[in-house]
Amino acid sequence: GIQVEQSPPDLILQEGANSTLRCNFSDSVNNLQWFHQNPWGQLINLFYIPSGTKQNGRLSATTVATERYSLLYISSSQTTDSGVYFCAVISGNTGKLIFGQGTTLQVKP
Amino acid sequence: GAGVSQSPSNKVTEKGKDVELRCDPISGHTALYWYRQSLGQGLEFLIYFQGNSAPDKSGLPSDRFSAERTGGSVSTLTIQRTQQEDSAVYLCASSLGLADLYEQYFGPGTRLTVT
Repeated sequence: GIQVEQSPPDLILQEGANSTLRCNFSDSVNNLQWFHQNPWGQLINLFYIPSGTKQNGRLSATTVATERYSLLYISSSQTTDSGVYFCAVISGNTGKLIFGQGTTLQVKP
Repeated sequence: GAGVSQSPSNKVTEKGKDVELRCDPISGHTALYWYRQSLGQGLEFLIYFQGNSAPDKSGLPSDRFSAERTGGSVSTLTIQRTQQEDSAVYLCASSLGLADLYEQYFGPGTRLTVT
């Protein structure tokens, strides 16, 4: 089946720094979502991005489907950005999400 | 409701007992998904409903796991004769339709601990 790899697995930043998280996938996909899992375990939708670039405040994402990767950019990071960031892809016709292992981000004040 | 809700939020059960986990999707969402998050396995797909039908059950780990959906809305995931390896957070998600067209939105999860 399709493989989803995220890097880096862990990231520590000082407040105010910028970062880039990467998601590689092994086959063509129908769609891709980025999530932030907060310390209480809730998965929060960040982007639904099969291709192209989207921006939402300090966050933006770019998916290059032909090259099988997506990037999540976090600018001017804040302590509330801490948590685990997941990339998930949809492959096939039932829409089930296949998740990467996540990037754990810690933003220090 | 405004989002996907799940109950209970936490469940502790003894090995061998049966448990039922409930999911209320976002109103109007026809697709419903169950996932499981555990330390060793990450986030894994369990089952997909479109309306009341389950065209994809490929992620259910054993025949002790079953799920149903009624009225195109509420879904129940049942685990029979629970084992310690069933301990995990069970997450439910819903979307407007086939999720190659629509975003999935997740509930807060049910944390299951089997003692």
